[in-house]
Amino acid sequence: QQQVKQSPQSLIVQKGGISIINCAYENTAFDYFPWYQQFPGKGPALLIAIRPDVSEKKEGRFTISFNKSAKQFSLHIMDSQPGDSATYFCAATPYAGGTSYGKLTFGQGTILTVHP
Amino acid sequence: DGGITQSPKYLFRKEGQNVTLSCEQNLNHDAMYWYRQDPGQGLRLIYYSQIVNDFQKGDIAEGYSVSREKKESFPLTVTSAQKNPTAFYLCASSITGGGTGELFFGEGSRLTVL
Repeated sequence: QQQVKQSPQSLIVQKGGISIINCAYENTAFDYFPWYQQFPGKGPALLIAIRPDVSEKKEGRFTISFNKSAKQFSLHIMDSQPGDSATYFCAATPYAGGTSYGKLTFGQGTILTVHP
Repeated sequence: DGGITQSPKYLFRKEGQNVTLSCEQNLNHDAMYWYRQDPGQGLRLIYYSQIVNDFQKGDIAEGYSVSREKKESFPLTVTSAQKNPTAFYLCASSITGGGTGELFFGEGSRLTVL
């Protein structure tokens, strides 16, 4: 029940295309859903996050879509660029006034490659 | 510049030896975390600490130990009891009240057991 399942494991997209990564969860206590981006040899960095009171959040070329009833959320990268090539992790945690933010349950990760 | 510093970046260990990974932060964050990253498994929480002199086990604490004697430091010891210690270890920190909930990660330490 604590798992977050992420797919696909790897994704190859042409420059300018749309990259879509999907995640599903079971634990209905999850209340905060961030996405992290990790470049090789580096630590992950927060990309964008959403709470289930909204169905979509957009920041630049990155959009999270959230379906609470299906317990699924996804990351869309519009106009994908070679510089977007990285590993992407979805994650989830119960919201508890800030004390649970760091106790994230991560998905397995998606290696995105954007070809020029 | 504020951030999290992990050392060493690469570490080799013989079986049966304990090893300690360093994590220092100058972000003035109260909470610190240790995650383990393995290919195809995402990141898994080892230990976390929300305040000095207090810490809790995460999902995979067996074979690991930590201390939190100073706010800015949260070292992780990988003991000989850890059956499969070869992995990429990530330290992170965050504020505990309000804010965006963002975790700030260090650049990691890659441990290889020979």
